[in-house]
Parts: sequence; C-alpha cells; structure tokens
Amino acid sequence: DAKTTQPPSMDCAEGRAANLPCNHSTISGNEYVYWYRQIHSQGPQYIIHGLKNNETNEMASLIITEDRKSSTLILPHATLRDTAVYYCIVHKNTGNQFYFGTGTSLTVIP
Amino acid sequence: DGGITQSPKYLFRKEGQNVTLSCEQNLNHDAMYWYRQDPGQGLRLIYYSQIVNDFQKGDIAEGYSVSREKKESFPLTVTSAQKNPTAFYLCASSFRRILSYNEQFFGPGTRLTVL
Repeated sequence: DAKTTQPPSMDCAEGRAANLPCNHSTISGNEYVYWYRQIHSQGPQYIIHGLKNNETNEMASLIITEDRKSSTLILPHATLRDTAVYYCIVHKNTGNQFYFGTGTSLTVIP
Repeated sequence: DGGITQSPKYLFRKEGQNVTLSCEQNLNHDAMYWYRQDPGQGLRLIYYSQIVNDFQKGDIAEGYSVSREKKESFPLTVTSAQKNPTAFYLCASSFRRILSYNEQFFGPGTRLTVL
C-alpha cells in the first residue's frame, strides 16, 4: 500500500469547516483512500472512503485531486466532539491490511 | 446490536504471565485483525485472519499468538516472550469484497498493563 503524509496537528474554530490534507503521491490505480478518526482511548471510527470521485456522507466530504496524489477531508461545521486524531489511509484490497501512520491531531477550539 | 466487543477494557497482569484478550464480532465479517497502539503512536498490525482456521503475521507478531476457530472470534494471547506488552490493543473486522472497498470496524480496545 502507498504511504501517506499528513500534518501532525491542526486547530479549527468551532462552527467553521475543518480541512485536513493528505498526500499520497505513490497511490496506484486500484487503491482506495480511507479516512478514520480516533478519539482518545477509543477504537478508530470509519469516516469515509473514495477511489476517484469526490464523496460526501453525513459525517464529512472527501475531495480527491484529479491525479489522485492528494486528498482533503472536510468536516463542514466542526464541533468540540470532532477533536480527535484523523488518519488518512491508502489501501488496495489484496491482503486487506491497513497501514495507520501517526495521523493529524485536530483540536476544535471554542 | 451488531458490533465488535473486546473484553476486558482494562487488564493488569504480572510480568511473566501469559494473558488472552477477547475479541468477538457479530457483523458476519470474514476478516479480523489485531493492532497494538503505544502512546502518541499510530496502530501497528500484530496478526490478521482472512478466514476461519487461517491467520498471518503482521509487522510485530513476535511474542503474540492467535487462533481463529470460529468466524466470530479472534482471541489474542500475549505471551511472556513479548518484551514490552503494556499497550492499548485494538481488534477490528471487515468483509473481504474483491475489487471493492473493505472498511474495517474497530472494537473499543483493551488497555493491558503489565506490572
């Protein structure tokens, strides 16, 4: 699986959009981009995934660049409960293993 | 309710003792995984199993053992050979869709402290 690069930490004001970037310049054509988040001392929670097209669900939006070398997770109206570590993962479906790096620690500020 | 359960949430053991961590899922998932997380670090894969009676080593399998006798269960034994067993242990499961996405669902974790 391709490796990803994320900033170690970010702040966001409550009620504003949080935009979390991820670089995956070595991604291959059959690899999906997944986003998870982990609130302290809990198991990671699945947020969203995508292959080529932008995706949106009730939690977030995922914007993938046309060359697929980077993506952005958007939390449209951040709340204090969104404070967590966010992991960007690139994964192909052979082997089914996921590689979790150190992620981005997002702090939502009142 | 469907989901993944891990028990216990907190576990204390004396050095040199083996300990088994439980993981059960009722999501009808084929694949199950064990990860270890140390403070301020990401998750590292210990073992994974794609089907019953089959499992593979992950990146840090030394000092650990697993079994997969039932689809719903994937217990992890931390043996006395594991040099630094104190950590947060996470179990996950997923489907095995071919040529499609396979998001992993995680349990709440077990925090193991070896005294």
